[in-house]
Amino acid sequence: DAKTTQPPSMDCAEGRAANLPCNHSTISGNEYVYWYRQIHSQGPQYIIHGLKNNETNEMASLIITEDRKSSTLILPHATLRDTAVYYCIVRVKTNFGNEKLTFGTGTRLTIIP
Amino acid sequence: DAGVTQSPTHLIKTRGQQVTLRCSPISGHKSVSWYQQVLGQGPQFIFQYYEKEERGRGNFPDRFSARQFPNYSSELNVNALLLGDSALYLCASSLVGTGVNTGELFFGEGSRLTVL
Repeated sequence: DAKTTQPPSMDCAEGRAANLPCNHSTISGNEYVYWYRQIHSQGPQYIIHGLKNNETNEMASLIITEDRKSSTLILPHATLRDTAVYYCIVRVKTNFGNEKLTFGTGTRLTIIP
Repeated sequence: DAGVTQSPTHLIKTRGQQVTLRCSPISGHKSVSWYQQVLGQGPQFIFQYYEKEERGRGNFPDRFSARQFPNYSSELNVNALLLGDSALYLCASSLVGTGVNTGELFFGEGSRLTVL
């Protein structure tokens, strides 16, 4: 799986959009970009994933650059409950195995009241 | 619907002992993965089991073993515990092999192991 680079920490004011960047310059054509977050002492929680098109769900939006070498996770209206460590992961999605996720150290996002 | 459940939630062992951690996947999920998360680091992949067969193994010593049962629940065993095995052990299940797999892993809350 390709390696990702994320800033170690970020702050965002409550109610503002939080934009979390991720570099994945060695991503392969068949690798997806996944985002998970981990609130203190809980298991990681899936947020969103994409291949090359921008994606949006009820939690967030994912913007992937045209060359796919970087992406940005956007939390449109951050709340205090969004304070967590956010992990950007790239991986191949298979139909029968290889459920290995390679987590880095992630970005610790702190939402400021 | 119940999520991924793990037991015990917390446990304390001493060096050299053995521990068994248990995981029940979400109903309908056939794949279970185990991760170790040491304080301050991201989770590290240990094992994946799908349809009761080992499908992946991370860079962990042979003291770590796992198995999956016919009901798709799983156990992680760690023998000859070391201080460095103190960590949060996470179990995750997924829809791989079901035809509706999005690639999402659903994680449990983990079992926190302390080795003294």
